[in-house]
Amino acid sequence: DQQVKQNSPSLSVQEGRISILNCDYTNSMFDYFLWYKKYPAEGPTFLISISSIKDKNEDGRFTVFLNKSAKHLSLHIVPSQPGDSAVYFCAASGGGNFNKFYFGSGTKLNVKP
Amino acid sequence: ETGVTQTPRHLVMGMTNKKSLKCEQHLGHNAMYWYKQSAKKPLELMFVYSLEERVENNSVPSRFSPECPNSSHLFLHLHTLQPEDSALYLCASSQDQIRNTIYFGEGSWLTVV
Repeated sequence: DQQVKQNSPSLSVQEGRISILNCDYTNSMFDYFLWYKKYPAEGPTFLISISSIKDKNEDGRFTVFLNKSAKHLSLHIVPSQPGDSAVYFCAASGGGNFNKFYFGSGTKLNVKP
Repeated sequence: ETGVTQTPRHLVMGMTNKKSLKCEQHLGHNAMYWYKQSAKKPLELMFVYSLEERVENNSVPSRFSPECPNSSHLFLHLHTLQPEDSALYLCASSQDQIRNTIYFGEGSWLTVV
């Protein structure tokens, strides 16, 4: 049973607009979350993290929001650029004694010029 | 340029072959990981090493055999694989083994024929 879900396999956004990528999790023990970007034929690249003591973390054009009660997190990209076109994965970890991250299946973002 | 390098990037092997995947991290991290990404599936954790000691074997078949000779190097020895083992194998590292961001290499594409 998947503990981290990204229910939108794809998202298309116009350049300059906001991209919102969503992620849901089921395990209330998760307390550390990561977002990655992946281009074809490359490994995932770390984007931004958030721990459960925060509800928001910002890094340049990327902001991650965490809603613990809803077990939901989202990644906002503003403004979106064509180079942001990639697959985005969220990952969650917690409750254990090592870095066991559970990954979502990814959302493919297409930013149209 | 990634701080985690994997070789080879592509590997085709027969079901009776023995081959190895190699990973090296240049980040001074203490934990290393093997992940598997099959088509249309989330990333799956295979093994975790912390300070050269295996701390997790995520129910991986014995035809996959990891080796961590030091904190900078990680190998995945492959023997008698099946075609369904064809996938992208990703190595990663993190500073420590608890609630740390993991950084991925570019992956080794494995095809078993």
